[in-house]
Amino acid sequence: DAKTTQPTSMDCAEGRAANLPCNHSTISGNEYVYWYRQIHSQGPQYIIHGLKNNETNEMASLIITEDRKSSTLILPHATLRDTAVYYCIVPNAGGTSYGKLTFGQGTILTVHP
Amino acid sequence: DSGVTQTPKHLITATGQRVTLRCSPRSGDLSVYWYQQSLDQGLQFLIQYYNGEERAKGNILERFSAQQFPDLHSELNLSSLELGDSALYFCASSVEPRTGLNTEAFFGQGTRLTVV
Repeated sequence: DAKTTQPTSMDCAEGRAANLPCNHSTISGNEYVYWYRQIHSQGPQYIIHGLKNNETNEMASLIITEDRKSSTLILPHATLRDTAVYYCIVPNAGGTSYGKLTFGQGTILTVHP
Repeated sequence: DSGVTQTPKHLITATGQRVTLRCSPRSGDLSVYWYQQSLDQGLQFLIQYYNGEERAKGNILERFSAQQFPDLHSELNLSSLELGDSALYFCASSVEPRTGLNTEAFFGQGTRLTVV
């Protein structure tokens, strides 16, 4: 998997947008960016993924820079339940194993009241 | 609810013993993955099975083994347990992709193993 770099921790006020950055400067042209999160020892939860266009779903938005070397996960209205570890992952391209993931340390997001 | 079921939720056993963890994937998912999460190592990929056959191997100890059965459920067997094997063990499943389609993995809620 391409190496990713994320801040160790971030804080966010409840109701505000949480913007979580990820650097993946060694990403290849056909590799996707995935985001997962893990809420306090629960199983990791898929959030969103994208290749080069911005993506949005009911949970979050993913903004990928034009050169694809970095991305930002946006939680538009963070709630206390969004407090979790967020992982940015770039799996190897061409594989068919979407669950074979390399989890780094992730970003600990703490949402405050 | 991810649709992936793991049993048991908690397991306490003694050193030297053997345990079996069970995983039922989402309906229709052919791939099953096992992960270990300990305090000092983070989430580590152990092994993947696809439709009954081993497909990928990570940092899985020789004392650990897995299999996937015809009904697609999987079992992770841990033997000669040591204190350091205490961890959360997660199972995940995913569909097998069609050309050009990327998809995601779905994780179970894990089995917390405590070796005393």
